[in-house]
Amino acid sequence: SQQGEEDPQALSIQEGENATMNCSYKTSINNLQWYRQNSGRGLVHLILIRSNEREKHSGRLRVTLDTSKKSSSLLITASRAADTASYFCAVGNTGKLIFGQGTTLQVKP
Amino acid sequence: GAVVSQHPSRVICKSGTSVKIECRSLDFQATTMFWYRQFPKQSLMLMATSNEGSKATYEQGVEKDKFLINHASLTLSTLTVTSAHPEDSSFYICSAVYLTSGGTDTQYFGPGTRLTVL
Repeated sequence: SQQGEEDPQALSIQEGENATMNCSYKTSINNLQWYRQNSGRGLVHLILIRSNEREKHSGRLRVTLDTSKKSSSLLITASRAADTASYFCAVGNTGKLIFGQGTTLQVKP
Repeated sequence: GAVVSQHPSRVICKSGTSVKIECRSLDFQATTMFWYRQFPKQSLMLMATSNEGSKATYEQGVEKDKFLINHASLTLSTLTVTSAHPEDSSFYICSAVYLTSGGTDTQYFGPGTRLTVL
């Protein structure tokens, strides 16, 4: 399966620190996307990076993509308690999204 | 931004009954919608791809006769869980594809429907 795998599964940091999550996948992709999910809620789209892009920024978010290693990372800088959520990468190919297992981030105030 | 709604947000039903979940794209037309299910503390698993005006495409292992999908218009897809059983209890999430001006299709997700089958 081309399902993404994420690490760490869980991450706990202090407010103000940076959080880095990694995602690896198995097959070729058109794009890779990151989503956030608060407990029991729907998904919020954070950022999309195309297969021909290496890095993308959006506010406090920085995403990198290394297609040679089939991996991506999401960096959240200057974290806030409101960033506490689960974060999923999803690889896109032929229109479908296949989700990774997710990283649960806890930001302590 | 593109908004997707789901109704109901929460439903409790008795075993053996059928439950219909609606997914609507509120401010855009979506020729393609997807249905996912998510068990507690797990990731989203794609169930099926719903295309307007045609039959849904189901992922391997998903029973098409149990999970009926209808995509009657460009803004509405419905998922009906037929003869629901307790093991069908889950969080069901839909998404609608929004084609951006840059030509990249982004999926926008509904808020989810929590189904509990007693």
